[in-house]
Amino acid sequence: GDSVTQMEGPVTLSEEAFLTINCTYTATGYPSLFWYVQYPGEGLQLLLKATKADDKGSNKGFEATYRKETTSFHLEKGSVQVSDSAVYFCALIWGGNKLVFGAGTILRVKS
Amino acid sequence: NAGVTQTPKFQVLKTGQSMTLQCAQDMNHEYMSWYRQDPGMGLRLIHYSVGAGITDQGEVPNGYNVSRSTTEDFPLRLLSAAPSQTSVYFCASSYSPIGGEQFFGPGTRLTVL
Repeated sequence: GDSVTQMEGPVTLSEEAFLTINCTYTATGYPSLFWYVQYPGEGLQLLLKATKADDKGSNKGFEATYRKETTSFHLEKGSVQVSDSAVYFCALIWGGNKLVFGAGTILRVKS
Repeated sequence: NAGVTQTPKFQVLKTGQSMTLQCAQDMNHEYMSWYRQDPGMGLRLIHYSVGAGITDQGEVPNGYNVSRSTTEDFPLRLLSAAPSQTSVYFCASSYSPIGGEQFFGPGTRLTVL
């Protein structure tokens, strides 16, 4: 079935460092792809999304490009802040409206 | 506009007890769903609903029941709690049946002893 694989964490960075969190997927057809973020003690929030190949989603300085040829949707940010510390989930839409999530990657940013 | 609300925030049950996790949304969304979050496994879909009176199973439905009598409410029932159901439960809703952003509640942390 459809699945999402994310790089294992935790990822620990210093403030202003460059961030990459890898995400690859397996799916039949052409899913929509998402990054969700979960701050401590809260529910998930949509960070960005892309619905077709070569689309770039962006929000709050984060970016991810839908790469059909490598089945990837890596999350990047040029300069992380302490406030970016959270758990990041890559996900795809399967069967119309059913999200399939990766395991999540913990990001810790030190000042 | 409260978004998606869940009650209770925390709950401790004994094995074999039953309970209902409440979920409500005030955005007039047709699509609602329940997920459980376990360490290292991301979120897994338990049940979902595409509108009042319509529900279906997700990836891990065993041990849970749902019903959808109104657009706003989507309760999740644990019939006979087991330690394997210890988890954090999230309710979500979406305005679109296909590919739309899902809005998540704050979660219910359930411990089954």
